Amino acid sequence: GAVVSQHPSWVICKSGTSVKIECRSLDFQATTMFWYRQFPKQSLMLMATSNEGSKATYEQGVEKDKFLINHASLTLSTLTVTSAHPEDSSFYICSARSGANQPQHFGDGTRLSIL
Amino acid sequence: AQKVTQAQTEISVVEKEDVTLDCVYETRDTTYYLFWYKQPPSGELVFLIRRNSFDEQNEISGRYSWNFQKSTSSFNFTITASQVVDSAVYFCALSEARGLTGGGNKLTFGTGTQLKVEL
Repeated sequence: GAVVSQHPSWVICKSGTSVKIECRSLDFQATTMFWYRQFPKQSLMLMATSNEGSKATYEQGVEKDKFLINHASLTLSTLTVTSAHPEDSSFYICSARSGANQPQHFGDGTRLSIL
Repeated sequence: AQKVTQAQTEISVVEKEDVTLDCVYETRDTTYYLFWYKQPPSGELVFLIRRNSFDEQNEISGRYSWNFQKSTSSFNFTITASQVVDSAVYFCALSEARGLTGGGNKLTFGTGTQLKVEL
């Protein structure tokens, strides 16, 4: 149980392109989803918290216009990196939980490379 | 403010050795949760354990065991008889628990410990 699917697994695209990453909870309803970013050999840094049906809460220093988050249903959240540039290249990973104080279950992550 | 410290950046052991990964945390909350996650080379994070701050009982799951000591703000993770498949980065994390509604419950991660188990 508690499977989170993230798609795509990896993306390579040109600078200026917008990239959408999907995060789905497959066997549970996720009231809250989280988006993290991880640079090589570093820890996970929370970007934003997304509650179904409401606007995402972004962490300090994260540009909300750059990283658009939509959580339209209890099983799907999307992160769109708009007008991506090489410095946006990173490993993006989502997590989902079924309720308050429940453990977060993570997707497999998306490796984004911007050329 | 919350903080999680994993002082061991990298540990190398030979298969079948026991290994302990250290985790020290800081929080002002009296109610909180502690977690361990495993991140193998493929990148996904695998949930291993969650412990709430009121439960100091040590836990054992197969070759894994966890030692939670509030007096020293530590939540250490021991793998007995390590195997090559245990090679991964292990993250300790902390989440505040603010009642049933939970508040934000954001996870604060440590910097991770890279465990290498060799034959």
